[in-house]
Formats: sequence, structure tokens, C-alpha cells
Amino acid sequence: SQTIHQWPATLVQPVGSPLSLECTVEGTSNPNLYWYRQAAGRGLQLLFYSVGIGQISSEVPQNLSASRPQDRQFILSSKKLLLSDSGFYLCAWSRGRDDSSQFFGPGTRLTVL
Amino acid sequence: ELKVEQNPLFLSMQEGKNYTIYCNYSTTSDRLYWYRQDPGKSLESLFVLLSNGAVKQEGRLMASLDTKARLSTLHITAAVHDLSATYFCAVGDPGTYKYIFGTGTRLKVLA
Repeated sequence: SQTIHQWPATLVQPVGSPLSLECTVEGTSNPNLYWYRQAAGRGLQLLFYSVGIGQISSEVPQNLSASRPQDRQFILSSKKLLLSDSGFYLCAWSRGRDDSSQFFGPGTRLTVL
Repeated sequence: ELKVEQNPLFLSMQEGKNYTIYCNYSTTSDRLYWYRQDPGKSLESLFVLLSNGAVKQEGRLMASLDTKARLSTLHITAAVHDLSATYFCAVGDPGTYKYIFGTGTRLKVLA
């Protein structure tokens, strides 16, 4: 069976500090990978998605970046965090097929102070 | 640009009652997904609807898709407290692997 991991689970960072969130998927190969952000009480904002190693599509221009160094690893980074970066960050994967649902990781709750 | 709207945004209902959540989307798509999110938790996949007229049921929840009307419904039958959660619909963006999410419906079932 497939599983998706995210870490850390929670993070408190000062404004201007760097960020690195990691997501890994087990039990499947060549998944599509996604990063979403959810502000408190709000919907999901798609940040990045990737259909293969080294391929990143950015949906929202901002101070975040993403990388996919391995088939089942997806990393979200920032060089300098802003207060507005606070939120619940969710990684998801789907099979590379039109009929596939998405499967979400447990999330990382980021607070920027 | 594909847009997805859900209504209502908030729903408070009594146990044992029936209700429907609506999901409208702006451009043609035949991929519609429903998810559940408990407070402070991640999202859980509920239903995948991939054709006009598709209907899926799981326990007290039933989802349907009308691609011509660009409408999906999530029907709740005889609500129980355990169904309290936020429900999201998502639509597959045609020609891409993106999923566009609705705003979510926060459901509270009162005993």
C-alpha cells in the first residue's frame, strides 16, 4: 500500500528565517506531487506541482520554491519567511492518470512570528 | 480559468435530518472529487466521480455528478454527529494534472 510522509509536523520560525519542508511517498513510482497551503479556516491554495523528477510548475508567485530531487521526494523551501507564510502545508500525491484522486500527507503546521 | 464554488459555506443541522451540499464549477470537466477534513487534520478522499450521471455512496453520504450542469452534490442522509467536518469538492482542470478546490463546507451536526 502507499503512504505519504511529511515532516516536521509543526514548526515555529521567526520572520526572515529559511524554511525546508519535506514530503516522501512510499509504495508507488512516478507519482504526481503537489504542495498546498491552507490558511486557518480557509480552502486549499495550490502552490506547486510536479509530474516528474526536476519538473516543477509554480502556481503562485511568492517567496517559496519547490524541488523534486528524487522520484518520490518533494521539498518546499524559502530563503526568507514572511508572516503571511504561516499556515497548514499539505503535500499530496496522485497517480499519473486522469482518473486518480489525490492522497494527502498529514501536513505541517507552520507559524511565522 | 476553472473556478469551483461550494454552498453553503457553513451548515448546522440536527441529527437525523437530510441535507445537500452543492459544488458548481465554471468550465467543462468530467473529474470531480470529494474530500473530508476533520479539524486540525489532513484531507481524506471520499468519492471519485468520472462521468456524467455518476453516483457513489458510502454509508450516509451519496455523491453525484452532472457534467452538463457542471454540478456535483453531496447528499447527507440522517445525519449523525460523526459526520461533523469540513467537506471539499475538487475538479480536475482539463488538460492538466491540477485539481481546483472549492472553498469547503463546514458541517456541524447537533445532537
